[in-house]
Amino acid sequence: GDQVEQSPSALSLHEGTGSALRCNFTTTMRAVQWFQQNSRGSLINLFYLASGTKENGRLKSTFNSKESYSTLHIRDAQLEDSGTYFCAVNTGNYKYVFGAGTRLKVIA
Amino acid sequence: EAAVTQSPRNKVAVTGGKVTLSCNQTNNHNNMYWYRQDTGHGLRLIHYSYGAGSTEKGDIPDGYKASRPSQENFSLILELATPSQTSVYFCASGVGYAEQFFGPGTRLTVL
Repeated sequence: GDQVEQSPSALSLHEGTGSALRCNFTTTMRAVQWFQQNSRGSLINLFYLASGTKENGRLKSTFNSKESYSTLHIRDAQLEDSGTYFCAVNTGNYKYVFGAGTRLKVIA
Repeated sequence: EAAVTQSPRNKVAVTGGKVTLSCNQTNNHNNMYWYRQDTGHGLRLIHYSYGAGSTEKGDIPDGYKASRPSQENFSLILELATPSQTSVYFCASGVGYAEQFFGPGTRLTVL
């Protein structure tokens, strides 16, 4: 079936540093969404991309349909960035397939 | 004001009982979705709907039914709840291939 793989599965960052999260998929992709799941369990929409790059504050996301991946870049990490980050790939028929997530811990 | 709401937020049920989870959206979106999330996993699609009166099977539909009586409301029904259905359930709404918006989740425990 359709596969969405996220890497790394877990990550620790010191405040002020940055990193990139990766989302690879094995299926034709129309679009990708990135979410943060916070400590209360709420899913916060970060980005929706059907192509190219989007940026919002300290976050930036890119979508590469040709090579079947998307990335989420976090810079100047803050404590409130801690949580689990999910990518969800739109495979057509209005359905999304989720990756297993990247657990991010930001350390003071 | 929250655009996707779910009720109840927490539910404890007994094995073999009937459980109904409700979702309401004020986004006027055609599509609605039910997912479950288990520890260490992403979200998995149970049922979805393209509009009032329609329901479609997702990736893990066994043991669940869905009902979409109106544009705004989408219910998930567990006719005979089992402990394996203990999970957190999320509802979402969306339009076409555009982004989805999620409710706050319902934590269901089946004893």
